[in-house]
Amino acid sequence: EAEVAQSPRYKITEKSQAVAFWCDPISGHATLYWYRQILGQGPELLVQFQDESVVDDSQLPKDRFSAERLKGVDSTLKIQPAELGDSAMYLCASSFQLGATGELFFGEGSRLTVL
Amino acid sequence: DAKTTQPPSMDCAEGRAANLPCNHSTISGNEYVYWYRQIHSQGPQYIIHGLKNNETNEMASLIITEDRKSSTLILPHATLRDTAVYYCIVSYQAGTALIFGKGTTLSVSS
Repeated sequence: EAEVAQSPRYKITEKSQAVAFWCDPISGHATLYWYRQILGQGPELLVQFQDESVVDDSQLPKDRFSAERLKGVDSTLKIQPAELGDSAMYLCASSFQLGATGELFFGEGSRLTVL
Repeated sequence: DAKTTQPPSMDCAEGRAANLPCNHSTISGNEYVYWYRQIHSQGPQYIIHGLKNNETNEMASLIITEDRKSSTLILPHATLRDTAVYYCIVSYQAGTALIFGKGTTLSVSS
C-alpha cells in the first residue's frame, strides 16, 4: 500500500540551529500539507500546496519557517533558527486533488526536540 | 477554530460497541463530516466521512442526524487496538485543509 514518507523520524537540535524535514507524498497526489502537532493537542495546519503552488500558508511563522515543493512532488519544511517552542511532531499529508471527496493520507511524522 | 465539539475522553470495554458523539451545530449544507483517529506516536488515519446519509465501511459506521447538527461514530466491536484519539472534523471537501480540534481519547480496556 502506498504511503507518505517522512524523514527524519526523530530530530534533536539545539535552539538557534537550523532543521529541515522532508516529505514524499503518495505518487499522483497533487495536494500536500504540513501540520504541526504539539503534545496533547490536535494537528495544526502550517502550509498547503497544490502542485508546486502554495494554497494557504497563513499559519506558517514566516520569520523562521519556510516550505517548498519545487517540482510539485516532494517537499521540504525548514526552521531557522529553531526555538524551544518548536518542539513538536511535524506531520505531512497528501490527497489526490482539490475537489475530490475522500481522505488525507498522513505520514508517520517527524518528532522535533529543541534543547 | 474547530467547528466541532467532542467529549475529551471516553471508556469502552473490549468487545462492546464504542459510540463517539460529535456536535457540529453550525455545519453548512455542503460541508462533510470526517472522522480520523490517531494512535499514539503515529499520523492520523482516515476512518469515514459523510454528507447527509449514514455511512458504513469495514472500520466503522457514521450516523448523522437529520438536521446534520450532530453525528456519532460507531465502532461495533471495540478492541484494544482501537485505543486512540478520535477527531471529528467538518470540512467542505477533500483537498481543503482539515482543521483538527482536540478530539476524544477513547480507552478500550479488557
